[in-house]
Amino acid sequence: EVQLVESGGGLVQPGGSLRLSCAASGFIFNNHGMTWVRQAPGKGLEWVSYISSSDSTIYYADSVRGRFTISRDDAKKSLFLQMNSLRAEDTAVYYCARLRYSSSWRPFDSWGQGILVTVS
Amino acid sequence: DIQLTQSPSSLSASVGDRVTIICRASQNTITYLNWYQKKPGKAPELLIFGASNLQSGVPSRFSGGGSGTEFTLTISSLHPEDFATYYCQQTYLLPWTFGQGTKVEIK
Repeated sequence: EVQLVESGGGLVQPGGSLRLSCAASGFIFNNHGMTWVRQAPGKGLEWVSYISSSDSTIYYADSVRGRFTISRDDAKKSLFLQMNSLRAEDTAVYYCARLRYSSSWRPFDSWGQGILVTVS
Repeated sequence: DIQLTQSPSSLSASVGDRVTIICRASQNTITYLNWYQKKPGKAPELLIFGASNLQSGVPSRFSGGGSGTEFTLTISSLHPEDFATYYCQQTYLLPWTFGQGTKVEIK
């Protein structure tokens, strides 16, 4: 069974930092691109960042570029999101998600349960 | 950025009803259009990818169609567990974007 479990969220002051982790199991982690998506309270889904299976390609949304860093450790089957210079508008539930293997349409086919980050 | 506009933003329907949600893109996304279901406190679930491909394990009452700038998600006969918010998403151009969501409520 595919499982993605986020950790590392919590309450942080504006300007502070947090590092989110996502532990993967039940699939061959290094075969898949991975991504982070967030949902602010009462709002819709917002894509945040992507990292390819080979670690060679990384993308960010404009709203987080220069402040957030995505990374992965294939040996530990883990995905990370280092969040610096946090702002109130970064308050959201953060989801890690897996991109479907070898699909040119890049759908997010498995998701974690999410972790709350509150900047206040 | 490609803007995705879903209509309606919300709807009320009864169990057994046929429901169609429209997603319009501000630019051509070919068929790089995916649909997700989101329930409060739960992770989103992929329903449809590539505009019309049903994700494994998703009931066949869900179907997707369209290409270019106009796409549809249809639920042929609403079940009680289908009351949720539905999002379209484009992965054709960066930044990948979601529609604002369509909340399907019980009439």
